[in-house]
Amino acid sequence: SAVISQKPSRDICQRGTSLTIQCQVDSQVTMMFWYRQQPGQSLTLIATANQGSEATYESGFVIDKFPISRPNLTFSTLTVSNMSPEDSSIYLCSVAQGGPPNTEAFFGQGTRLTVV
Amino acid sequence: DAKTTQPPSMDCAEGRAANLPCNHSTISGNEYVYWYRQIHSQGPQYIIHGLKNNETNEMASLIITEDRKSSTLILPHATLRDTAVYYCIAHKHGSSNTGKLIFGQGTTLQVKP
Repeated sequence: SAVISQKPSRDICQRGTSLTIQCQVDSQVTMMFWYRQQPGQSLTLIATANQGSEATYESGFVIDKFPISRPNLTFSTLTVSNMSPEDSSIYLCSVAQGGPPNTEAFFGQGTRLTVV
Repeated sequence: DAKTTQPPSMDCAEGRAANLPCNHSTISGNEYVYWYRQIHSQGPQYIIHGLKNNETNEMASLIITEDRKSSTLILPHATLRDTAVYYCIAHKHGSSNTGKLIFGQGTTLQVKP
């Protein structure tokens, strides 16, 4: 299994500022995933981050708003830029381990962001 | 990945079996049925997955109908700690897709004493 640490666990930020969320995994993984969970809602995939290449964003998410770095096989960051209250959500990092068909996804505890 | 449909909420008495249904009528032959759960204020946790055979592990059993259009997750002896949102996900593995999960709204299971 993979152990994922996210920092910070929570933050309260002023609108117009940016926050960078860190995700550290205890083993090397090819792909890391970033999700958003708005209040009372399910998880929505933001992007897939591969080491050595640009992140792939899902429909409705753009690099200017959510830039992602993936400098090595155990670490990634997600930045929420120019924040507004609508960005208040839980942001989660995930990795997949085990080859198909026995792949499992592991998640961090999430970063609870409140924008005021 | 195929769309899944789950009831929004269910109750279960502590110590009894919890049976959580999932409809995935458009599932394709190479899509697996995965179940995850999210306990309040935590990230989702893997429970079980299967293709067409019934599966059992230490957490739960997964029953998939013969036509694969629906499945049921069974928690044999629910405890208060099983109170969570349960997500059923149809997922196709692929080089760019494995681990990339599309979550529906899930079922909120409330286990009551």
